[in-house]
Amino acid sequence: EPEVTQTPSHQVTQMGQEVILRCVPISNHLYFYWYRQILGQKVEFLVSFYNNEISEKSEIFDDQFSVERPDGSNFTLKIRSTKLEDSAMYFCASRGNGDYEQYFGPGTRLTVT
Amino acid sequence: KQEVTQIPAALSVPEGENLVLNCSFTDSAIYNLQWFRQDPGKGLTSLLLIQSSQREQTSGRLNASLDKSSGRSTLYIAASQPGDSATYLCAVRPGNDYKLSFGAGTTVTVRA
Repeated sequence: EPEVTQTPSHQVTQMGQEVILRCVPISNHLYFYWYRQILGQKVEFLVSFYNNEISEKSEIFDDQFSVERPDGSNFTLKIRSTKLEDSAMYFCASRGNGDYEQYFGPGTRLTVT
Repeated sequence: KQEVTQIPAALSVPEGENLVLNCSFTDSAIYNLQWFRQDPGKGLTSLLLIQSSQREQTSGRLNASLDKSSGRSTLYIAASQPGDSATYLCAVRPGNDYKLSFGAGTTVTVRA
């Protein structure tokens, strides 16, 4: 069964460093999403992406964040200068055209020290 | 803004007991509602998705009901097993876009 994959599973970085979280959506999907979950808190929507542009973004998704589909298979989330409060689990999701459901990846745990 | 609440926050039951998990949402103009399972430190496993036009969905020992007008959904897990121990999240998709709003989850412990 097709699935969304994410790498790395765990990333440790120092405050102020740039990180890139990678996702490979399901191959024929066209809509892509990032969510995050700070430890002990709700899963929160960050951004949605379609046709090589952002469809919607939350208040959390400020200028420090960017997303890109650099090729036909990857979807990335970049955090330019990480802060301690960026420590969270980041989930990628994708959806096919006409699908009701978003399919989630296993997540990347980001720890900022 | 859609607010999703899950009660109780935690639940501990002996094996074999039926589980009842509640989810409420403030804006009834939803497109669908989804239940997920999350094991500690892990990703989200989709369990059931109910469209706004449906009243319930079933998968094995799981049954989810939806009362859109009152802003409520309930997940029933029959004959619980220790392997059902996890956090269960509900998420609502609004009618006008695709971003999901999640509840904080109910953490279930099934005692052997």
